[in-house]
Amino acid sequence: EADIYQTPRYLVIGTGKKITLECSQTMGHDKMYWYQQDPGMELHLIHYSYGVNSTEKGDLSSESTVSRIRTEHFPLTLESARPSHTSQYLCASSEMGSREDTQYFGPGTRLTVL
Amino acid sequence: DAKTTQPTSMDCAEGRAANLPCNHSTISGNEYVYWYRQIHSQGPQYIIHGLKNNETNEMASLIITEDRKSSTLILPHATLRDTAVYYCIVRVASHRSGNTPLVFGKGTRLSVIA
Repeated sequence: EADIYQTPRYLVIGTGKKITLECSQTMGHDKMYWYQQDPGMELHLIHYSYGVNSTEKGDLSSESTVSRIRTEHFPLTLESARPSHTSQYLCASSEMGSREDTQYFGPGTRLTVL
Repeated sequence: DAKTTQPTSMDCAEGRAANLPCNHSTISGNEYVYWYRQIHSQGPQYIIHGLKNNETNEMASLIITEDRKSSTLILPHATLRDTAVYYCIVRVASHRSGNTPLVFGKGTRLSVIA
């Protein structure tokens, strides 16, 4: 069982609101990731980090931003939510220096913007 | 990273072995084959990975052909709880920090039928 947590699990919010999706892991992993997945569709990488103060954009362009101030915490922020941001957001982590680099995923946050 | 080709969907009778194929004809010598699965929009779950040799763990077996251009994930006794989307991913794995995150394709939707 992976020790990676996401809050909230479900969020319904109005257009224009600022939101932060939380992700934390207790495994001491240096690498963390955010994926976005629409219902029935593929997962797309939107952000990743290889350590504190390190963030990179993923394959899919996203209006969200991330920060990595602490190893265990990798929050994702939307400054002004829009209906097009409605999706599921999945956080993952993996261990630096591990040859296999297995990624462990959280349960996800399902976001609905009205 | 090399691309993979998987069937869109498969059915399997409960209690039977589920054999999920994956083609990766352009795989490089230093690329591993990973399998993950995603049950009904939960976070993806790691199943197994391998480089050249066949691998087995408590969840599944992975059979990789001698030329490494294809592989098969085997669930020996499929249950209804194994109904999920199964992703076959190939990627370079090394101790260096430059490992790229996992890139998920469309996967195979496995339906286990009672």
